[in-house]
Amino acid sequence: DAKTTQPTSMDCAEGRAANLPCNHSTISGNEYVYWYRQIHSQGPQYIIHGLKNNETNEMASLIITEDRKSSTLILPHATLRDTAVYYCIVRVALNYGGSQGNLIFGKGTKLSVKP
Amino acid sequence: SAVISQKPSRDICQRGTSLTIQCQVDSQVTMMFWYRQQPGQSLTLIATANQGSEATYESGFVIDKFPISRPNLTFSTLTVSNMSPEDSSIYLCSVLNRRGPPSKGYGYTFGSGTRLTVV
Repeated sequence: DAKTTQPTSMDCAEGRAANLPCNHSTISGNEYVYWYRQIHSQGPQYIIHGLKNNETNEMASLIITEDRKSSTLILPHATLRDTAVYYCIVRVALNYGGSQGNLIFGKGTKLSVKP
Repeated sequence: SAVISQKPSRDICQRGTSLTIQCQVDSQVTMMFWYRQQPGQSLTLIATANQGSEATYESGFVIDKFPISRPNLTFSTLTVSNMSPEDSSIYLCSVLNRRGPPSKGYGYTFGSGTRLTVV
């Protein structure tokens, strides 16, 4: 699975958009970009994933560059409860009959949302 | 998504003893994963547990230290044996959801973790 690079930490003001970047310059054509977050003392939580098109759900938006070498997770209106470590993970698709195996976690970005 | 119940949530243990952590899932899952998260660090995979076969351990982790049971498709245990202070970590189980297509965000679900302190 391709490696990812994320900033160690970021701050964001409450109510503002939080934009978390991720570089994955060695991503392969069949690899997806997954985002998870880990709030203190909890297990990681799935946020969103995508292949090449931008994706949006009730939690966040995912913007993937055209060359797929980087992406940005956007929390449109950050709240204090969004303070967490955010992990960008690149791997082949998780599907019924296909790839097995675990998620490989990097160090992630520690996002601090401040009042 | 699958719902995971992990027990205990935390424990303080004496060195040299063993602790068994339980992971119960509300649906049948093929693959279960056990992770360790040392203080201030990211998650590291210990092993993958498939029902009906031996667990597959990652480099640096051995069965004698971290024996795993997987008696059915909804349950697994991880034992941390002969503990030392270096084993103080959060231990998490995870399952691969198979409810729904990838486009709907199906993926991994994690338990809330077991915070282990060895004294």
